[in-house]
Parts: sequence; C-alpha cells; structure tokens
Amino acid sequence: QKEVEQDPGPLSVPEGAIVSLNCTYSNSAFQYFMWYRQYSRKGPELLMYTYSSGNKEDGRFTAQVDKSSKYISLFIRDSQPSDSATYLCAMKDTGNQFYFGTGTSLTVIP
Amino acid sequence: AAGVIQSPRHLIKEKRETATLKCYPIPRHDTVYWYQQGPGQDPQFLISFYEKMQSDKGSIPDRFSAQQFSDYHSELNMSSLELGDSALYFCASSRLASGYNEQFFGPGTRLTVL
Repeated sequence: QKEVEQDPGPLSVPEGAIVSLNCTYSNSAFQYFMWYRQYSRKGPELLMYTYSSGNKEDGRFTAQVDKSSKYISLFIRDSQPSDSATYLCAMKDTGNQFYFGTGTSLTVIP
Repeated sequence: AAGVIQSPRHLIKEKRETATLKCYPIPRHDTVYWYQQGPGQDPQFLISFYEKMQSDKGSIPDRFSAQQFSDYHSELNMSSLELGDSALYFCASSRLASGYNEQFFGPGTRLTVL
C-alpha cells in the first residue's frame, strides 16, 4: 500500500463549479502537506503548503488538513478552464523525503 | 523570482549509452531532489542531497548515480540506458536548513531512449 492515496479521476466539471480533491495517508508522522498543479509535459507547480492541521486559503484555493482522519483536501472555487491539469498532493515528516499521491486529472469544461 | 533550472530540456539517447542531467536549484536552497515520472504516473523519488551530502535514497537504479557540487548544483548520471528509462526527470529544491519545507520543481528533462 502506498503511503499516500489519491483518486486518479479523471474528474470533469463545468466552469464555475466547486472542485474537491482529496488524499488520504497512513503515516501519522506527516506534518507538512502540499498541493501541486501539473500541466501536461510541465513540472509540478506548488499551489498550497500547509503545516499540521487546519485550513489555508489563497484566492480561489482552500487547503484543508485533518490529521486525526489522515485526510487532506483541496477546494477550488469558481473553477476555470485554465484550472484543467493534474493535481498532486504531497506530504512529508521531519525528514527530507516527500511522498506524492498519484495525481487527480481535472478537466473544467467551458 | 528565480526558479529551478534543468538542462538539457530534451535528450535522446540510444540503449546502453550514458546521459548526464543537470539541475541548478533556487539560490540559497540547500536541498536537491531527483524524481522520475513516467507517463500518467506520480513522480517517483530517486535521491536527495542536503548540503552536498546524500540524504535520502529512493528507487534509484544502481546504474544511476548523482552528486551535489560545492555551488549546490546537482548532476544525475545515468549509464547503460534502457528503454524503460524513458521518462521525465524532475529536479526539485528546498531550503530545509531554515525549516522551509516547500519543494519547488524544475521544468524537467525529457529523456527518450531509443
């Protein structure tokens, strides 16, 4: 079993919809949680970074971490066609290694 | 803002050849990571360096080696290339010394082995 589980999708939504992306993990030592957006044939781009539990908002994006449930989410409000990409969650403990989910492919239909 | 630089961006090699990929981290970042990403897959961690010393090792084949130099740039050396080595290779950097755990990726090197 992978350390980080993420539904690969694909997920298809109409423009303006609220998108919910999720990851679960098994290692209770994870403290740092990240969401990356990756366009086709490009490098992952860091979207959100959260330490420990709680919420963090940045524009249309909200990241939530629930350490008690080992569950993290990324919400995208008012989704746009330019949000169409693969979204990867990643997390780490106090060590140097990052653990990635498999990515969720999102398409926002105009 | 400066980003992670990788070179070359594209590389075509034949089986059994060698390849060297280079990574220049964001200035003042002390940690470099190498990942391999196959089509439709998440990045697979290969190896990382902190302050020029190897810090973690992932699924890096014995045919591959890497190092980080005094100027913090890193090189991934790949020998006896196989068809299955065709992938996107990403370098990422972070600044762990100051507790900065965000990791920033470069644009990747697309390696094609024929």
